[in-house]
Amino acid sequence: ETGVTQTPRHLVMGMTNKKSLKCEQHLGHNAMYWYKQSAKKPLELMFVYSLEERVENNSVPSRFSPECPNSSHLFLHLHTLQPEDSALYLCASSPGTGSYGYTFGSGTRLTVV
Amino acid sequence: GQSLEQPSEVTAVEGAIVQINCTYQTSGFYGLSWYQQHDGGAPTFLSYNALDGLEETGRFSSFLSRSDSYGYLLLQELQMKDSASYFCAVRDETGGFKTIFGAGTRLFVKA
Repeated sequence: ETGVTQTPRHLVMGMTNKKSLKCEQHLGHNAMYWYKQSAKKPLELMFVYSLEERVENNSVPSRFSPECPNSSHLFLHLHTLQPEDSALYLCASSPGTGSYGYTFGSGTRLTVV
Repeated sequence: GQSLEQPSEVTAVEGAIVQINCTYQTSGFYGLSWYQQHDGGAPTFLSYNALDGLEETGRFSSFLSRSDSYGYLLLQELQMKDSASYFCAVRDETGGFKTIFGAGTRLFVKA
């Protein structure tokens, strides 16, 4: 356990489904991130939250909708996804957005069918 | 564009030393980090260099040359458990919050 917990670990969903990914940290960190990891590609930053406020939306399609109800929890709501959205979705946290070391969760392996 | 280049795969023998290189091209630079990720696991932070030179942490060392936009991770006394993917990452100050990652280097340690 890294201190950042993601659920579910695996998710298979149809293109018309709606699902949510959950991330939780109790490290006292103020910044939380969503990254997408595809095979043999760099991690792609999706969203950044600082003290529950979204501070970065890295040109992510609207079919991905983040939510940060408090500094310990982060959600990624998914709807009408495409097969190319299949990937490992990683959540990370850091003490602040100025911190250089992130603590990552183990990710949710998403498959869109 | 902004990019980090690192080899896709490296193979080494148990007990040996291996160096994983990373060159970067980014609009801003605020430090080079390294992460380790085992299959099915979370990326784990290993090291950070903001200034030129070598930083040593046990069997792992990391080097940075800002003038060359280059860094490397050095792993000594390789163990089988070091088989994993290693990512370099640059904190890009442009926009303030972005950390850009390389595609990762898969290290295979053989007996």
